[in-house]
Parts: sequence; C-alpha cells; structure tokens
Amino acid sequence: GAVVSQHPSWVICKSGTSVKIECRSLDFQATTMFWYRQFPKQSLMLMATSNEGSKATYEQGVEKDKFLINHASLTLSTLTVTSAHPEDSSFYICSASNWFSGRNNEQFFGPGTRLTVL
Amino acid sequence: GDSVTQMEGPVTLSEEAFLTINCTYTATGYPSLFWYVQYPGEGLQLLLKATKADDKGSNKGFEATYRKETTSFHLEKGSVQVSDSAVYFCALSDIQGAQKLVFGQGTRLTINP
Repeated sequence: GAVVSQHPSWVICKSGTSVKIECRSLDFQATTMFWYRQFPKQSLMLMATSNEGSKATYEQGVEKDKFLINHASLTLSTLTVTSAHPEDSSFYICSASNWFSGRNNEQFFGPGTRLTVL
Repeated sequence: GDSVTQMEGPVTLSEEAFLTINCTYTATGYPSLFWYVQYPGEGLQLLLKATKADDKGSNKGFEATYRKETTSFHLEKGSVQVSDSAVYFCALSDIQGAQKLVFGQGTRLTINP
C-alpha cells in the first residue's frame, strides 16, 4: 500500500504556543488529505478534509482559526494548532487518498502525532 | 448522523482461539463498511471492506459480512495468532461526497501464546 508519514511523531509544547504537524504522502500524489483527532480509548473524529490547492472543509464544531490546515502540494499537508491549550492535547492522525488512483478513494493513514500541551 | 458502535475491549485470547469483534452501524443510505487494523507504532491499515449488502470482505484469514438486516459487520477469524495483536477499528463511509470515514471506538486485541 501507499505510505504516509507524519512529523513529528510526538511533541510537547507550552500553553499559548503554536505547533505545526506535517503529513506527507511518500510514494503517491494525494489529491485529498484528511485530518483526524483521537482521544484516549475513543474513536477517530474527522476534523477536516482538504483538497490540494483548495481551502479545507472543516467538520462542525472544529474551529478553523485554531486548527489551520494547508495542502499546498500533492504530497504535503500541514496542521497548525494555534495558541495551543491543554485541552488540545490529543493524538492527531492524517490520511491521504487519490481520487484518480482507481482504488475507490481508499485512505492511507499516517502513524499519528501525539501532542501534549503543558 | 451516521455512527458506528464496536464491541468494547480490551479483548484477550489465547493463540488459535476463535475471534469475533462485533460492529453495528446506523446510517442513512447504503454505506460502504470497513475494518482497519492498527499495529503498535504504525498507521491504520485497511484490513477488509464490503460495499454492498451480503458482500463478504476477507483478508489474512479475517472475514466480515455486510448484514443490512441487522446493520452489522462483525469481524471474525477462525484461529488467531500472536501477530494479530493490534487495535481494530470498524468504519463506514457514505458513497457520496468526499468519502468521509466514520469510525467506531476501536477494540484492542491481545493474543497470548
């Protein structure tokens, strides 16, 4: 299957600072990338969907000014958590798909980034 | 809205035991159904899927059948191995729009030798 990487794998930051998480598709072009958030022992919750070159579409309840998503190329999307607070501590997971791959839009997932805000 | 409910874990079994992880869903329309597996330190991987009623998805000895009448997609394996230890997620996606996935809460499976 296709490979998706995330960087960093974990990050600790102080309250009030901003943190950027990168999601890269290593061996295919990602026309669409998804960002999920996972709380301990809970399901993955979709935060937003981004198509390359377009603004992200956020799910209801997700603050677009707090979670900035950029998908400027077919291999890279970034999620920036602005002015992070302890309640933003979570596991963030990205996935990528290619509408034209003929694989029925299968999503390929990154390994996730653990964010801890002190 | 659409939702997925999975059997709560953790589940601990001995090697060669029979495995069932229950999954039920609610959805408008006719979703596609998936099982994903997450091994320690890795991203979610698609294990199997079914796109219409009565379809059976299978992979690596795992099977799940799309049961529209009971809105279920239970995961089964006849004889588990230690290497099957992982977290398993049931999910659905609508067939319209952006193919968004809705996940269950995940079930942690541990297989003891």
